Amino acid sequence: QKEVEQNSGPLSVPEGAIASLNCTYSDRVSQSFFWYRQYSGKSPELIMSIYSNGDKEDGRFTAQLNKASQYVSLLIRDSQPSDSATYLCAVNMGRRALTFGSGTRLQVQP
Amino acid sequence: ETGVTQSPTHLIKTRGQQVTLRCSSQSGHNTVSWYQQALGQGPQFIFQYYREEENGRGNFPPRFSGLQFPNYSSELNVNALELDDSALYLCASSGGQVNTGELFFGEGSRLTVL
Repeated sequence: QKEVEQNSGPLSVPEGAIASLNCTYSDRVSQSFFWYRQYSGKSPELIMSIYSNGDKEDGRFTAQLNKASQYVSLLIRDSQPSDSATYLCAVNMGRRALTFGSGTRLQVQP
Repeated sequence: ETGVTQSPTHLIKTRGQQVTLRCSSQSGHNTVSWYQQALGQGPQFIFQYYREEENGRGNFPPRFSGLQFPNYSSELNVNALELDDSALYLCASSGGQVNTGELFFGEGSRLTVL
């Protein structure tokens, strides 16, 4: 079992729709969780961090965390073609590093 | 504010050779981490340096080594290159010894091993 699991996709949504990206993790002691966006051929860019159970909103992005279920999600409202990218879920499992999932590729259709 | 810069951006080596990749951290950041990203995979942690000392290492063999300099720039060295070392090598900087997870990545060095 991978430590951080994501559906590889592609997840295809029409422009203006809500995109829902999911991530599960294996280590119950994990304390901090991150979503990075990676455009094709580019490096990852941090878009959201979440540290406590519940929702955290930032513009069109909402991160949701459920530590009991070991589940993190990212919602993108009013999806735009420019949101088309790979979204990487990353978890700080108490080590001096982040553990990344393999990413979910999102395609927003105009 | 200067971002994270890496060099070279692309390079091709043959199996058995050695390679050195370089990274300049973002201004004010004293921690540098290196990650390897194979095609279609997420980044994998190689090691981290804080104030010139290695203070964390992932599951990579000793032929992966590094340095951090007083100005917080860093090098990643890989000896005896193998075909599986072909990947994007990402340098990330952050402030402070404790890894908050908020990393600022450079654009990466894409290594191809033939």
